[in-house]
Amino acid sequence: GQNIDQPTEMTATEGAIVQINCTYQTSGFNGLFWYQQHAGEAPTFLSYNVLDGLEEKGRFSSFLSRSKGYSYLLLKELQMKDSASYLCAVLDSNYQLIWGAGTKLIIKP
Amino acid sequence: EAQVTQNPRYLITVTGKKLTVTCSQNMNHEYMSWYRQDPGLGLRQIYYSMNVEVTDKGDVPEGYKVSRKEKRNFPLILESPSPNQTSLYFCASSLGNSGTDTQYFGPGTRLTVL
Repeated sequence: GQNIDQPTEMTATEGAIVQINCTYQTSGFNGLFWYQQHAGEAPTFLSYNVLDGLEEKGRFSSFLSRSKGYSYLLLKELQMKDSASYLCAVLDSNYQLIWGAGTKLIIKP
Repeated sequence: EAQVTQNPRYLITVTGKKLTVTCSQNMNHEYMSWYRQDPGLGLRQIYYSMNVEVTDKGDVPEGYKVSRKEKRNFPLILESPSPNQTSLYFCASSLGNSGTDTQYFGPGTRLTVL
């Protein structure tokens, strides 16, 4: 079967750095997305990786290793507004999105 | 403003009473999709549409119907709702059909079936 694994919850301190991991086992791979979802709101796009390596976008970076079936989202200089759930989703061989359950990130002052 | 809208935002209903959740996008997107989100589970796709008059089942289509008569609208119909359809529902759209495009989500509809 197809599976996306992410930690359920993480806690970090304002101003610090946090890394949210995502491992996947899917039938084929055509890219990996990260979305941010604040409580009670819709998911919003953060990043898309299809090639191995690190892509940086301001305070957020996303890394992909296709051979390891692994990605991480790195958040730097954490702010209180970064408190949200972070969803990992993989595009499989049929170009269908498989979603992880999300990681709830709690930022403490 | 480019957006996906859903109505209603909140709905409490009873078992068996037919309901429709509307979804509309103003971005001329080809692809539209319905998801449900339940605690501890990832987003699960109910139905999707790659173009007008083209709809396909997602992972959890049982108990739901959709239609795509116009490009901008993609309503979700529950003919006979049951309590296990209590969930948070999101409509989403994207420009193309390849799956690699960013999905834009509506604000969500929280449905409770008693």
